[in-house]
Amino acid sequence: NAGVTQTPKFRVLKTGQSMTLLCAQDMNHEYMYWYRQDPGMGLRLIHYSVGEGTTAKGEVPDGYNVSRLKKQNFLLGLESAAPSQTSVYFCASSRRNSPLHFGNGTRLTVT
Amino acid sequence: ILNVEQSPQSLHVQEGDSTNFTCSFPSSNFYALHWYRWETAKSPEALFVMTLNGDEKKKGRISATLNTKEGYSYLYIKGSQPEDSATYLCAFITYNTDKLIFGTGTRLQVFP
Repeated sequence: NAGVTQTPKFRVLKTGQSMTLLCAQDMNHEYMYWYRQDPGMGLRLIHYSVGEGTTAKGEVPDGYNVSRLKKQNFLLGLESAAPSQTSVYFCASSRRNSPLHFGNGTRLTVT
Repeated sequence: ILNVEQSPQSLHVQEGDSTNFTCSFPSSNFYALHWYRWETAKSPEALFVMTLNGDEKKKGRISATLNTKEGYSYLYIKGSQPEDSATYLCAFITYNTDKLIFGTGTRLQVFP
């Protein structure tokens, strides 16, 4: 039982490059979330999903896209990376009204 | 825009001291409040999920209370230990959305 797995763990991009972060969970959770963590800002919600095939915007969605084609996977895409997207990205999953289970994070640097 | 505020921002206490921090949130459309513990270089771990006004939850030396009418929750740590050093996050969700919005956290350091 792996829980929530994020890949990759680290990535360095140049401005304008694109990439996809993968989040996979094996707990059959309906809800999945992508957060970013920046110094002094806590965790800010980028996008979330309440079920397969559905996605919704969070607090800071601009510059990101997401997809939830399979219940166990939630992908976060950056189409044209910017230095402002340098951050640590956390994925989480849960059942409704239950605690979040977090992945170990992806550290992204955009130069 | 939902605004979840936590205070204080940071706290330094001696081993054995008891401490508490506050999470404030909008009282309208309340659905649930979460508390998480986040150690450096790890991922956040859930402490409590609270839904009812007047709820009190306890896990070892850590407990939490909830007041949904006035929009606040307290987290208490009794007899702090160095291993309690972490950032404590609260998060809030309303009835009309499934967004779980986090506060910026209270960073606790417990000195031996």
